[in-house]
Amino acid sequence: DAKTTQPNSMESNEEEPVHLPCNHSTISGTDYIHWYRQLPSQGPEYVIHGLTSNVNNRMASLAIAEDRKSSTLILHRATLRDAAVYYCILRDGAGGTSYGKLTFGQGTILTVHP
Amino acid sequence: NAGVMQNPRHLVRRRGQEARLRCSPMKGHSHVYWYRQLPEEGLKFMVYLQKENIIDESGMPKERFSAEFPKEGPSILRIQQVVRGDSAAYFCASSPPRIGQGYEQYFGPGTRLTVT
Repeated sequence: DAKTTQPNSMESNEEEPVHLPCNHSTISGTDYIHWYRQLPSQGPEYVIHGLTSNVNNRMASLAIAEDRKSSTLILHRATLRDAAVYYCILRDGAGGTSYGKLTFGQGTILTVHP
Repeated sequence: NAGVMQNPRHLVRRRGQEARLRCSPMKGHSHVYWYRQLPEEGLKFMVYLQKENIIDESGMPKERFSAEFPKEGPSILRIQQVVRGDSAAYFCASSPPRIGQGYEQYFGPGTRLTVT
């Protein structure tokens, strides 16, 4: 499986934007970039995903570098409820060996200060 | 639209007993995944099932663990003769039957298994 690299932790203040980076230099052409988060004592929650173009939804934005070797999850106004572990995951969209399962790394622990 | 349901939410078993964890996927979802999160560790994939078929069980321990997703009813993760090392949070996820679109998975709240 293609590997992702994320900072271990980041901090933010409430109501400020947060940019969570992810490096995936070995990404293949059919890999989708997914982001999930896990709040304390809860199951993971899907945030957003994309292939080549930047994506927006009600939760966040995903900015994908032109060469696709990195991406950034953007939370436009962090709230205390956004404090979680954020995972950047590559998913094979072409039915390869990693098709189906999510391979979670260590993720980035986001702390939001009031 | 109800989300992924898991029960029980908490399960206590003594060493040597059996644990049965249930997962009802979201309506319209025919793909189910099980993941395990050991204390202070990350989430690890265990098994991927479609109705009546195991697609990928590469993350399942070779012994004592089994999973099924019958034509009718919930998916079941079964752990026989539990040991203390099986104590963990077990999460189920489901996804719709789309192929090649990088589809998302929706997770349940988990079952926290404690083996005493």
